[in-house]
Amino acid sequence: DGGITQSPKYLFRKEGQNVTLSCEQNLNHDAMYWYRQDPGQGLRLIYYSQIVNDFQKGDIAEGYSVSREKKESFPLTVTSAQKNPTAFYLCASSQGAEGTEAFFGQGTRLTVV
Amino acid sequence: AQSVTQLDSQVPVFEEAPVELRCNYSSSVSVYLFWYVQYPNQGLQLLLKYLSGSTLVESINGFEAEFNKSQTSFHLRKPSVHISDTAEYFCAVTLVNAGNMLTFGGGTRLMVKP
Repeated sequence: DGGITQSPKYLFRKEGQNVTLSCEQNLNHDAMYWYRQDPGQGLRLIYYSQIVNDFQKGDIAEGYSVSREKKESFPLTVTSAQKNPTAFYLCASSQGAEGTEAFFGQGTRLTVV
Repeated sequence: AQSVTQLDSQVPVFEEAPVELRCNYSSSVSVYLFWYVQYPNQGLQLLLKYLSGSTLVESINGFEAEFNKSQTSFHLRKPSVHISDTAEYFCAVTLVNAGNMLTFGGGTRLMVKP
């Protein structure tokens, strides 16, 4: 089945540790996105990539990093510089053409203790 | 910069009653408009979208939304809700000729009661 797979579903980390969230898609989409979801704030764009080996900062990129070495994969690293990392993280992909639907993964809930 | 405002954070409603979830946007350029639905602990699914043409768009499960350019609104409506419609609903925009990055509203939690 085609889709987007995020792993793990739940993740616990100690404060000060870097952690990497996985996102893989087999939809052959060019564009991929990372969003952060907090209660009452909707989704905010962290990073996006419209093509392999290229990515751009979104609205809240500070404390995060990404890579796009393969078309299928867009991992997100939450670094120790991110002041408030506990949140629900959603990965999405789209064909890239304007107005096309974005397909979302099931999300990773990160809790930093 | 563009922004999206969903005026109600929660909307409680009885089963089989009508519902309207409100969405207003602000942008200096033309936008495409979307409604996504999120069930608990899941990702988002597209409900419907407006790109051009008829200002009234419909989904397969009975929801509809109307684009009103003068009021910069894209309210979502359903004439009769079911328990299974309980979810969080997000209104979102992308800018025409500026990529496919979504800007979301804060979300509206629809709670359908028996």
